[in-house]
Amino acid sequence: EADIYQTPRYLVIGTGKKITLECSQTMGHDKMYWYQQDPGMELHLIHYSYGVNSTEKGDLSSESTVSRIRTEHFPLTLESARPSHTSQYLCASSEQGQPTDTQYFGPGTRLTVL
Amino acid sequence: GQQVMQIPQYQHVQEGEDFTTYCNSSTTLSNIQWYKQRPGGHPVFLIQLVKSGEVKKQKRLTFQFGEAKKNSSLHITATQTTDVGTYFCAGGRNDYKLSFGAGTTVTVRA
Repeated sequence: EADIYQTPRYLVIGTGKKITLECSQTMGHDKMYWYQQDPGMELHLIHYSYGVNSTEKGDLSSESTVSRIRTEHFPLTLESARPSHTSQYLCASSEQGQPTDTQYFGPGTRLTVL
Repeated sequence: GQQVMQIPQYQHVQEGEDFTTYCNSSTTLSNIQWYKQRPGGHPVFLIQLVKSGEVKKQKRLTFQFGEAKKNSSLHITATQTTDVGTYFCAGGRNDYKLSFGAGTTVTVRA
C-alpha cells in the first residue's frame, strides 16, 4: 500500500470560506496530481506537478490553486468556496514508469460547501 | 481531446457468475491501466497493459488490450462479494498522463 495522505478526509464549510486540502507522500515521488471526482463519475485531472516549483493546470478547469514547495507536499487551495466546488478531491503521486507512470492515490477529501 | 468510454456503467452480478467490462478509446493508447475503487475508498492500481493484444491474468481477473490499442476488457470469473466496487480503466496519453473512464460499478447478489 502506498504512503500518501490527505487531510481532512471530510470537510463541510460555508460559502465564501478559504480552504486548503493537504496532500503528502513519503515515497519521494516527483510527480503529483489532483483529481476531482463526482459520485459515480470519472476522475478529472485538475492540477499536476512534475517536481518542486512545477505546477500545471489539468484537463478540467478549476478555480483552485496548488503549490509545490517541497517534494512530499502538494496542497490545494480554494480562495472562496462555492456549492459548485462540492466534490471528492483525490491526490495521487507516481513513480517513474514506461510508457505511463502508475499512480498511487490518497484516501481523498470529501468536500461539501453549503 | 482523448476520451475513454467504459461499458456498462453498472453491472449487477449473481455470486459465482462471470462478467466482462469494456473500455474503448477514440484514439490509440500508449498503454491501458486498470484501477479498482471500493465503495467509499480511493482508486487502487491493478495492472498495466502495454503491448498490442496483450493478455494478463490476476487470479480470477483477466485483462486484455486490443490489437489496435484502442480498447481493453476486464473479465472476472466466479464473482465473489469481494469483487464489489468500481473498476476504472485509464488510457495512457501522448503527454504521459492518464485519461480515466467513468468506471463500471459492480454489485454482487449473494
